[in-house]
This record gives sequence, structure tokens and C-alpha cells, in this order.
Amino acid sequence: GAGVSQTPSNKVTEKGKYVELRCDPISGHTALYWYRQSLGQGPEFLIYFQGTGAADDSGLPNDRFFAVRPEGSVSTLKIQRTERGDSAVYLCASGGQGAGELFFGEGSRLTVL
Amino acid sequence: QQQVKQSPQSLIVQKGGISIINCAYENTAFDYFPWYQQFPGKGPALLIAIRPDVSEKKEGRFTISFNKSAKQFSLHIMDSQPGDSATYFCAASRDTGRRALTFGSGTRLQVQP
Repeated sequence: GAGVSQTPSNKVTEKGKYVELRCDPISGHTALYWYRQSLGQGPEFLIYFQGTGAADDSGLPNDRFFAVRPEGSVSTLKIQRTERGDSAVYLCASGGQGAGELFFGEGSRLTVL
Repeated sequence: QQQVKQSPQSLIVQKGGISIINCAYENTAFDYFPWYQQFPGKGPALLIAIRPDVSEKKEGRFTISFNKSAKQFSLHIMDSQPGDSATYFCAASRDTGRRALTFGSGTRLQVQP
């Protein structure tokens, strides 16, 4: 596709449930980032992949959050035992090799009831 | 610890006026400073970026001014247009943008016709 694709665009779940959010980056981009954006706030870094490996997962808030990128393209963010405080827009971004521009998807809005 | 502080939180400017948004950072290891524009329901999109070896960068109506000694940088939007109405985020990164971006809290700009 032309841009970063994220699915689902909206997800409503109940407290304690498990959710998966998918990111399909721009073809050929080796860097992939997950961010979380709460209402009225700037994006907050969660995890960064370079290829298949997580180069930096220092932003994951706790062990309920996990992300994978098994083939170096599509990534899945997994949240176990969801809590109401997990409600936010989860943004995925990809970038080419080298420094500079990140291309963001439109995000997956997660609501935990 | 908030590493990038952004002000003002909101800004109203008349069409044709100059919009000015300011950011200050704490981490002297930051060496890449982009500005992102975000419209409602969309992901952030790169507007303009600067590295600390220059004090100013201009692209069309958008200018970044950078003060390394003060650890501050600002975005100037000249001849502001209603289509510029959006939320603007400053950000900073280490390793010339190869590391995760730390975002400011955002400025909601409204340009009145």
C-alpha cells in the first residue's frame, strides 16, 4: 500500500480481555515504531523494531504489553488483561534506513470498558 | 520526566498572521528536532525538521529557529491560513533521528478566516 496501514481502526473491549493491533508498514521500510497517544497529549513511545528484532522496548509500560514483527514487515501489538487506563490511540510508524522522517498510520483507537 | 516542553497549549491566529510555537528540551544528547502536524482522526505527518548544526531552516511558509545554548526551538508559520488549523507537535531524538522520538504535548492552532 501507499502508506502505513493499521487495523482495526477502532476496538472496544472489556476490562481483562486480550487485544491485538496490527500494523502494515510502508513496503521496504526496515524501522517500525509503536506509539500510544492519549487524548490531548503527544504520542508516547512504546517500542522500536529494526528488521525483525526489537531494538528498543523501553517504552512498554509493563509486561502486559508485547509486540512482534516476525518477518520484518507486519507488526502486531498485543495487550493482555486490558485495563481502562489502556484506552488510547495506538499509532504505528515506519521509516527507511538512516535518519529522519517517520510515516505514521491513522492509528487504532482502543476503548476498554 | 518530561523531556520536551511545548507551549502554548492552544493558539488562535487571524488569517495572514504569524503563528509561533515554542519548545524546550532537556536532554543535550538530542540531535534531531522535527515538527509534526496532526489533523483530527489522522496520524502525525512530518512538517519540517532541523539538526543542531544550523540555527534556522525554512521551507515555504514554515521556519524552524533553533537555539542550542538555550536548548530551545520554535516553529513559525508565516501567512497562516485556515487550512493550517491543526495540532502541532515538536519532537526530539538522538542519533540523528535513528532513535525514538520524544514528543511535546502539542499545540492546537486555530486560524480564523
